[in-house]
Amino acid sequence: LAKTTQPISMDSYEGQEVNITCSHNNIATNDYITWYQQFPSQGPRFIIQGYKTKVTNEVASLFIPADRKSSTLSLPRVSLSDTAVYYCLVGDLEGGKLIFGQGTELSVKP
Amino acid sequence: DAGVTQSPTHLIKTRGQQVTLRCSPKSGHDTVSWYQQALGQGPQFIFQYYEEEERQRGNFPDRFSGHQFPNYSSELNVNALLLGDSALYLCASSPQGRTNEKLFFGSGTQLSVL
Repeated sequence: LAKTTQPISMDSYEGQEVNITCSHNNIATNDYITWYQQFPSQGPRFIIQGYKTKVTNEVASLFIPADRKSSTLSLPRVSLSDTAVYYCLVGDLEGGKLIFGQGTELSVKP
Repeated sequence: DAGVTQSPTHLIKTRGQQVTLRCSPKSGHDTVSWYQQALGQGPQFIFQYYEEEERQRGNFPDRFSGHQFPNYSSELNVNALLLGDSALYLCASSPQGRTNEKLFFGSGTQLSVL
């Protein structure tokens, strides 16, 4: 299973765009990249998933360069409610276990 | 459509006791995974159940065991509790064994071992 590395913490202000980058140098051919968001005392919540290039949904965008050794989660115009821990995970879709790292603690300030 | 439900939400036990946590997966899901999350850490994979069998297991001792029922609900049992077992225990479900496609997590059971 590919290991991921992300910043431990980030600060931002309301209305700004936030980009969180994740490194996964030994990503395998069949691996997908998935991001989860977690609030205190709650389970993680799926945000977005991609394999290559760019994926966008109603809450975020995921940018994946051609070599797939990294990925960037982009949150447009964050609000206070986006303060949470964000996890980047890499694995194939039928893999048995997900390996969570430390995550990135995002703090959005007014 | 109910999501993943876990019970109880909070639990206090003493060292040496045994505990059983319960999980009902999201409707339509047949695969259940259990995670342990210590304060300030990411969730750690315990094991996964599919078709009533333990399919994969993380690096946890045999004190941690589980079960999946025909209705896909699952239990996590921990014997001989240690102080270090205090954590948030999360259950996640997914369809047809495709665990990495999109996991749905419950809100967890907060276990405190005194």
